[in-house]
Amino acid sequence: DSGVTQTPKHLITATGQRVTLRCSPRSGDLSVYWYQQSLDQGLQFLIQYYNGEERAKGNILERFSAQQFPDLHSELNLSSLELGDSALYFCASSPDSSGNTIYFGEGSWLTVV
Amino acid sequence: TQLLEQSPQFLSIQEGENLTVYCNSSSVFSSLQWYRQEPGEGPVLLVTVVTGGEVKKLKRLTFQFGDARKDSSLHITAAQPGDTGLYLCAGPDSWGKLQFGAGTQVVVTP
Repeated sequence: DSGVTQTPKHLITATGQRVTLRCSPRSGDLSVYWYQQSLDQGLQFLIQYYNGEERAKGNILERFSAQQFPDLHSELNLSSLELGDSALYFCASSPDSSGNTIYFGEGSWLTVV
Repeated sequence: TQLLEQSPQFLSIQEGENLTVYCNSSSVFSSLQWYRQEPGEGPVLLVTVVTGGEVKKLKRLTFQFGDARKDSSLHITAAQPGDTGLYLCAGPDSWGKLQFGAGTQVVVTP
């Protein structure tokens, strides 16, 4: 158990819909990262927050957005869903913003039908 | 183009054999990490190497960081079925974003 909690674990939704994935980082960690993992793309960095502020942005679509709240939990919002958005979405956390060592949650399986 | 190139992509061996997987880049990294991921689960951190030439051992796993800090290897001695998994290397880019290689899928059969 890494200490990073993600909900929901599984989600099935239709194209065009919007979903929110939630992440609670490890106690004391200030950075939260979101990654997308699909069979053909591997583990792709989406976005990082540090102590409530956006720190770094990766290959995140405009249809996707995220935020980190004062209590440091984070949400990833995915809208206008397409079939190709089906993937495992991971949240990870770390004590600082260096990216040297991060701990992953168990992921949220999103299936778009 | 992957910042970190891992090889081989897939490795299937018998229990008791040794194996080595590689992680290479044209960029210098301040550190490199190795993770193991099992199906349906998140990657689990195995080790972080930070010093060029560093060798770290974790039971039957030996991790090496290249002198120039551009490459790393993971060697498993006397592999066991429990070693089966996707092995990922990762390193922070110049903006601190942790970038992952595509991974090496290791299958150890009894």
